[in-house]
Amino acid sequence: QKEVEQNSGPLSVPEGAIASLNCTYSDRGSQSFFWYRQYSGKSPELIMSIYSNGDKEDGRFTAQLNKASQYVSLLIRDSQPSDSATYLCAVIFLSSGSARQLTFGSGTQLTVLP
Amino acid sequence: EAGVTQFPSHSVIEKGQTVTLRCDPISGHDNLYWYRRVMGKEIKFLLHFVKESKQDESGMPNNRFLAERTGGTYSTLKVQPAELEDSGVYFCASSLLPGQGSDEQYFGPGTRLTVT
Repeated sequence: QKEVEQNSGPLSVPEGAIASLNCTYSDRGSQSFFWYRQYSGKSPELIMSIYSNGDKEDGRFTAQLNKASQYVSLLIRDSQPSDSATYLCAVIFLSSGSARQLTFGSGTQLTVLP
Repeated sequence: EAGVTQFPSHSVIEKGQTVTLRCDPISGHDNLYWYRRVMGKEIKFLLHFVKESKQDESGMPNNRFLAERTGGTYSTLKVQPAELEDSGVYFCASSLLPGQGSDEQYFGPGTRLTVT
């Protein structure tokens, strides 16, 4: 059973703080990991991809991957009210073969309080 | 560069009717995916095209769903006859072929299907 687990939240942080979102996955051999942001009633928007162990930074966002522990996280620095959304973790499992479809977690709802 | 587009944005049909959803991927993206989110559940994979060929349709719920991709460009997803449990948001996503960049998939705005 291929699974992606996220804490559904809600997670509330004050404006300017660091928001930390976590995700674990079941397939140790997986190599492609993504974070999507989804505003209410909108489509998932890709904000980060990570393929190698370690950290990847893009502006205020940092993705962290630890394949040995099978977790991937997203840090949002200097959180803004506009960051309030549901954050979806998605994984391409090794067993998906050539299809390379995404398996999504249920999402973590983040609220940044002004 | 235009993103993934989907039509219609919202469809309300009665049980037993037919609905056809359309997706236009990002130009140059050979991979096209259909996903669905039903109320309260995670986004789930339905099927995958590489150009005009179905690569994997293991996520299709049953034979009431038929997907096509004409000439490797746009794709349609037909539901016939629609049932109440087909209600949800249908997303289309596209990506480059592996080796041409990455596995990053870009989503369209979705079609909200309501079956009454």
